[in-house]
Amino acid sequence: DAMVIQNPRYQVTQFGKPVTLSCSQTLNHNVMYWYQQKSSQAPKLLFHYYDKDFNNEADTPDNFQSRRPNTSFCFLDIRSPGLGDAAMYLCATSSPQLVPDNEQFFGPGTRLTVL
Amino acid sequence: AQSVTQLGSHVSVSEGALVLLRCNYSSSVPPYLFWYVQYPNQGLQLLLKYTSAATLVKGINGFEAEFKKSETSFHLTKPSAHMSDAAEYFCAVSGRGFKTIFGAGTRLFVKA
Repeated sequence: DAMVIQNPRYQVTQFGKPVTLSCSQTLNHNVMYWYQQKSSQAPKLLFHYYDKDFNNEADTPDNFQSRRPNTSFCFLDIRSPGLGDAAMYLCATSSPQLVPDNEQFFGPGTRLTVL
Repeated sequence: AQSVTQLGSHVSVSEGALVLLRCNYSSSVPPYLFWYVQYPNQGLQLLLKYTSAATLVKGINGFEAEFKKSETSFHLTKPSAHMSDAAEYFCAVSGRGFKTIFGAGTRLFVKA
């Protein structure tokens, strides 16, 4: 089945220790998104890639970076995690050319704990 | 600019009762509207979407929603709640620049 995969599902890191979260997709969608979701809140968009074009949200901290080496993979790097970065991180994909309503397909998420 | 407002952060129903989750939208153009469901420690799953083909949209798990332009609403309903429906529900609208604008979410509790 075509899907969005996130690894790991649970990640524990220490305060200030860099961490990388991974997302891969078999949908061949050209847009990939990273969201941060804190408890009982809506997902908050951090950035997205349209093909190789990176689009950062204005309020995304510099501590958050992303890489997309190819169509299938996208990484979220948190350079110096703080306690406030503990959250669920969701990866999503879409293909606006094929599906004009831009329905997004979500992975299962990675829950990040910062000690 | 597009936006969505979900009325009620928590809704509690008894098993077998009607589920009604409210969503109002704001959009300067004909909107694409979505309802997503999120179970604990999971990603978001699409329940249904409105793309202007039909105002009454049927989705998975027995849910449906009706697009009412005059009321700028897209409320989600299910005739009979099941324990497995307990989850967080998000209404969303497609925004500019390939973004999706989410509502704040409504947590549905189902009582036995």
